[in-house]
Amino acid sequence: NAGVTQTPKFQVLKTGQSMTLQCAQDMNHEYMSWYRQDPGMGLRLIHYSVGAGITDQGEVPNGYNVSRSTTEDFPLRLLSAAPSQTSVYFCASRLRSTVNTEAFFGQGTRLTVV
Amino acid sequence: DAKTTQPPSMDCAEGRAANLPCNHSTISGNEYVYWYRQIHSQGPQYIIHGLKNNETNEMASLIITEDRKSSTLILPHATLRDTAVYYCIVRGTGTYKYIFGTGTRLKVLA
Repeated sequence: NAGVTQTPKFQVLKTGQSMTLQCAQDMNHEYMSWYRQDPGMGLRLIHYSVGAGITDQGEVPNGYNVSRSTTEDFPLRLLSAAPSQTSVYFCASRLRSTVNTEAFFGQGTRLTVV
Repeated sequence: DAKTTQPPSMDCAEGRAANLPCNHSTISGNEYVYWYRQIHSQGPQYIIHGLKNNETNEMASLIITEDRKSSTLILPHATLRDTAVYYCIVRGTGTYKYIFGTGTRLKVLA
């Protein structure tokens, strides 16, 4: 049972480059989300999705795009990377249920923009 | 979602109980209290959650005050591997957003 898988684990980009951070889960969870974590801070929500074809913005969405074409995958795209996007990115998923359920997090992607 | 307040850091001797407090004075009736921890920049790990009754699982106990304005996470016998940042989060049924604060950095001392 893989859970939530993020790739790559590490990435260095030059300013202006684009890339996609991958997130996949094999638990058939409806809810998926992306967070970023800057040094010494908690996680901040970037975008989230409540199901295939449905996405919405979180606290810090600027500079990021998402789409959700399947239940399993929720990629995060940086169209033109900036040094301010240097951070650790976490993907999470949760089962949609009337009973509160916990979120499962991936191990993170450490992104450096130079 | 209600905001939470936690002490920035705590120390605990190995083998002793670690009691981590959290204030959530603006919590509303349908909001649950969740606890997660993050070990050395790994992805956050779920610990426990509750609404108004005390809860216990294999990892920890959660004590919620009667007025629900505060709670305490208890690790009954802390080990060095429990050294982590612990986040207290309040979230309502039907919403997805977890609002993370800066958490409590727990250091378990040998």
